[in-house]
Amino acid sequence: DAEITQSPRHKITETGRQVTLACHQTWNHNNMFWYRQDLGHGLRLIHYSYGVQDTNKGEVSDGYSVSRSNTEDLPLTLESAASSQTSVYFCASSERRDGNEQFFGPGTRLTVL
Amino acid sequence: RKEVEQDPGPFNVPEGATVAFNCTYSNSASQSFFWYRQDCRKEPKLLMSVYSSGNEDGRFTAQLNRASQYISLLIRDSKLSDSATYLCVVNTNTGGFKTIFGAGTRLFVKA
Repeated sequence: DAEITQSPRHKITETGRQVTLACHQTWNHNNMFWYRQDLGHGLRLIHYSYGVQDTNKGEVSDGYSVSRSNTEDLPLTLESAASSQTSVYFCASSERRDGNEQFFGPGTRLTVL
Repeated sequence: RKEVEQDPGPFNVPEGATVAFNCTYSNSASQSFFWYRQDCRKEPKLLMSVYSSGNEDGRFTAQLNRASQYISLLIRDSKLSDSATYLCVVNTNTGGFKTIFGAGTRLFVKA
């Protein structure tokens, strides 16, 4: 069965360190998204990609970057982790660009000390 | 004002009750609408799309009111397993595609 996975599931890091969160999907979807979820804010879009070599900034992209070298993977990098980036991160993919149904990974819980 | 607003709840209802959630959106150019369900510490999953004509899926009914810019979700005959957070999702495509998630409404169904 097709799926979308994230790793690690939990991560504790220190302020200033570079952190990369992995996202891998076997749906063969062109469209992939990264969100963060914080209490009271719902899910907020960080970056998204409509295909290989395509990346776009979302609502809360400062301090984050992504790269898309193949269809299956969209890693999210925190260049220099800050305590404000402590959150739960979800990766998602969709068949259509308008995100008609997004399939989410299980999430990564990141704590920045 | 948030682009998509939901009553955060929580809603505490007994089994068998009918419960309704509303969601308002600010962008009149919004094109498509969805309800997602999120269990505690899990990922969101699509519950149902919301169409202009309204749609029903078993005990769940979703409706859209474009004039007033709100969508609703009605759950009839609540089950314990309905306890979750319900997220309202709105898509717009003006000046670029955008998906906005509401912060969610928490539902507890009690025995």
